[in-house]
Amino acid sequence: DSGVTQTPKHLITATGQRVTLRCSPRSGDLSVYWYQQSLDQGLQFLIQYYNGEERAKGNILERFSAQQFPDLHSELNLSSLELGDSALYFCASSVGPPNTEAFFGQGTRLTVV
Amino acid sequence: GNSVTQMEGPVTLSEEAFLTINCTYTATGYPSLFWYVQYPGEGLQLLLKATKADDKGSNKGFEATYRKETTSFHLEKGSVQVSDSAVYFCALSERNTDKLIFGTGTRLQVFP
Repeated sequence: DSGVTQTPKHLITATGQRVTLRCSPRSGDLSVYWYQQSLDQGLQFLIQYYNGEERAKGNILERFSAQQFPDLHSELNLSSLELGDSALYFCASSVGPPNTEAFFGQGTRLTVV
Repeated sequence: GNSVTQMEGPVTLSEEAFLTINCTYTATGYPSLFWYVQYPGEGLQLLLKATKADDKGSNKGFEATYRKETTSFHLEKGSVQVSDSAVYFCALSERNTDKLIFGTGTRLQVFP
């Protein structure tokens, strides 16, 4: 158990819908990262928050947004869902940066039908 | 930009065989390097890491050495077990954010 909790574990929704994925980081970790794992794109970095502020942005679509709350949990919002958004979404947390290792949650498997 | 290239899989071995999974990177500066493992149906687990040139990371019989001159971080294990069957990801982290850039992953299948 990494100490990073993601909910829900599985999500099935229709195209055009909006979903929210939730992540609770390890106790004491200030950084939260979101990654998308799909068969065609592999593991892609989406976005990072550090102590409530956006720190780095990757290949995140405009239909996707995220935030980190004062209690340090984070939510990833995916809207106007398309079939191609079906993927495993991972959250990771770390103490830093710099030079700190990230611990990953079990992921949320999103299926868009 | 920064990138990681790792060997295509699957790698298929018999139990107790020697394992090498190649990984090379392109990066500005001196990133930290990692190997993560993903068992079926699970999340990513950190297997080992190295933060500077010539560092050797090791864990559970796996080893990898940070080679700056060849920009490589190859994963090795002397004697694999069936329980090592998983997907292995090489990754680098960017210094100022610690965001991870992953390779495409290599599936390892070990048969008894």
